[in-house]
Amino acid sequence: GEEVAQTPKHLVRGEGQKAKLYCAPIKGHSYVFWYQQVLKNEFKFLISFQNENVFDETGMPKERFSAKCLPNSPCSLEIQATKLEDSAVYFCASSPSWEQYFGPGTRLTVT
Amino acid sequence: SQQGEEDPQALSIQEGENATMNCSYKTSINNLQWYRQNSGRGLVHLILIRSNEREKHSGRLRVTLDTSKKSSSLLITASRAADTASYFCATDADSGGGADGLTFGKGTHLIIQP
Repeated sequence: GEEVAQTPKHLVRGEGQKAKLYCAPIKGHSYVFWYQQVLKNEFKFLISFQNENVFDETGMPKERFSAKCLPNSPCSLEIQATKLEDSAVYFCASSPSWEQYFGPGTRLTVT
Repeated sequence: SQQGEEDPQALSIQEGENATMNCSYKTSINNLQWYRQNSGRGLVHLILIRSNEREKHSGRLRVTLDTSKKSSSLLITASRAADTASYFCATDADSGGGADGLTFGKGTHLIIQP
């Protein structure tokens, strides 16, 4: 597709529950990124992939966050045992080189 | 820590006026990019300037980059109501890789008064 697609649009989870977010990057883009935006301001880089390989995961809280980008499947970001502080909008982006194309985001609310 | 820091945090101008936003960063970069975010939406890429470039134009946008001062500016000329949005600068690490995550500033919220 020509746009990055993200599902679901909204996700509500009780504290301690699992959350799984999906992203379909633009076809032909080799790079995929996940970002977290809290309070409509700061974007935090979480992880990047080059094809299905993790490139940089320095932003990931590793004990609870995991992500995959497998061939012929949407990419996913999974949060085990969600905490209140995980409430944010999670954006996926894909890129053919340097410019990144962002999806509309998934708003995660942890109650 | 945040790499890019924009100022001002908020800017309100009349339609037709020019809007200037500034961004500073801390470490060496490969590229600097500007993005726009409309309320409740994802980021839209506006313009990319490479570290060896000093100025770039795209339509009503003009971006400058001063690597000695580690700063950039975004000028929007002849502003329109539709330009109302938040604007973010973003930098990538000077590693030469396309898979480098971007480091964003906190953004400038621009309001164009009709």
